[in-house]
Amino acid sequence: DAGVIQSPRHEVTEMGQEVTLRCKPISGHNSLFWYRQTMMRGLELLIYFNNNVPIDDSGMPEDRFSAKMPNASFSTLKIQPSEPRDSAVYFCASSRGGLAEETQYFGPGTRLLVL
Amino acid sequence: RKEVEQDPGPFNVPEGATVAFNCTYSNSASQSFFWYRQDCRKEPKLLMSVYSSGNEDGRFTAQLNRASQYISLLIRDSKLSDSATYLCVLTGGGNKLTFGTGTQLKVEL
Repeated sequence: DAGVIQSPRHEVTEMGQEVTLRCKPISGHNSLFWYRQTMMRGLELLIYFNNNVPIDDSGMPEDRFSAKMPNASFSTLKIQPSEPRDSAVYFCASSRGGLAEETQYFGPGTRLLVL
Repeated sequence: RKEVEQDPGPFNVPEGATVAFNCTYSNSASQSFFWYRQDCRKEPKLLMSVYSSGNEDGRFTAQLNRASQYISLLIRDSKLSDSATYLCVLTGGGNKLTFGTGTQLKVEL
């Protein structure tokens, strides 16, 4: 079975540019999570969706970040405009149901470098 | 105080050694606890859940101490392939997981 798919795997961009990260969750999974990982802060939850509806976006750092889930098989995380401090690894994860204790399956991540 | 605190390590141990990590948490309302493993430049993967009664999976044993608000992971007979970062994870508010920053383990010949 295919796991969580993320694209691109690597992104290098210049400050001020728009960045769009993409995620395809595991088929049949109802919850989708976007995380950001840095050396200093570890893994932080940005936003999560349940049945395509954003449930909690309190981790989204600021208005420059936005996330959508137009259908059960696709989600995007957009940064506009990007800044050097946004450089991090962005992970998407999905889980079968809506309970916190259900196993989350992570994608391979997108390594973002903003120059 | 951080929600989840872990010693970042690294813990450098010889093959065959037993090693233990602890993790402390501040939210006494946390209900579920896990250890995730993350290999270098890879994604986190669930290693095991942690129960109050303690649970074992092969060479790995996890324990939860609610009174003192810590969880532990014991690895017996360490293998080179155990080298990774081990993330302490627990449920925070709502349907969310809170991750520690991880403890790095290096198993050496």
